[in-house]
Amino acid sequence: DIQMTQSPSTLSASVGDRVTITCRASQSISSWLAWYQQKPGKAPKLLIYKASNLQSGVPSRFSGSGSGTEFTLAISSLQPDDFATYYCQQYNSSPWTFGQGTKVEIK
Amino acid sequence: EVQLVQSGAEVRTPGESLRISCKGSGYSFTNYWITWVRQMPGRGLEWMGRIDPSDSYTTYSPSFQGHVTISADKSITTAYLQWSSLKASDTAMYYCARHDNMGWFDPWGQGTLVTVSS
Repeated sequence: DIQMTQSPSTLSASVGDRVTITCRASQSISSWLAWYQQKPGKAPKLLIYKASNLQSGVPSRFSGSGSGTEFTLAISSLQPDDFATYYCQQYNSSPWTFGQGTKVEIK
Repeated sequence: EVQLVQSGAEVRTPGESLRISCKGSGYSFTNYWITWVRQMPGRGLEWMGRIDPSDSYTTYSPSFQGHVTISADKSITTAYLQWSSLKASDTAMYYCARHDNMGWFDPWGQGTLVTVSS
């Protein structure tokens, strides 16, 4: 199985900050990576697919980059609605696997 | 609007069987896989398996193979996740999601909470 490792596990930030979350794969996954946002008590929501493609309806302050084994999710100016947990997911090969999550908290 | 609506919360005792459902609407149900994801209390997301509703071909994560069964009835655009003998460790929120054949999951159902307790 491909292991996905996110860092940091928790991130404390203020409204307006630029934040970045890193996701590393245990082997190359090309650009076959998605990012999801999950708020407490809610289902995950797709933000980014194929490493850098913004899902329709997702604010442009979200962006994704990377290929191979290292990927980044960036939020250019953190908004109150962005405090949530973020997960990366590889879909290079089955079984599809997720990172352990990064919780973005209010500083 | 593409939508997946899951069945309601369930409480069972260990050893009981259970089937939960996920009904798709707003799209051609047989053109996309349905995937199931487990989230144990306070934990992350785990992919369990997927089904192609057009022919009911399934793929399971090795971690879940043999412990659950995924099925679908395309005539009523519904997918299912079932257990023959529940354990306390099956207590979790279970999500279904439309699984694009490129590999990402969108949209997701609202989740079904399964509680297994004696």
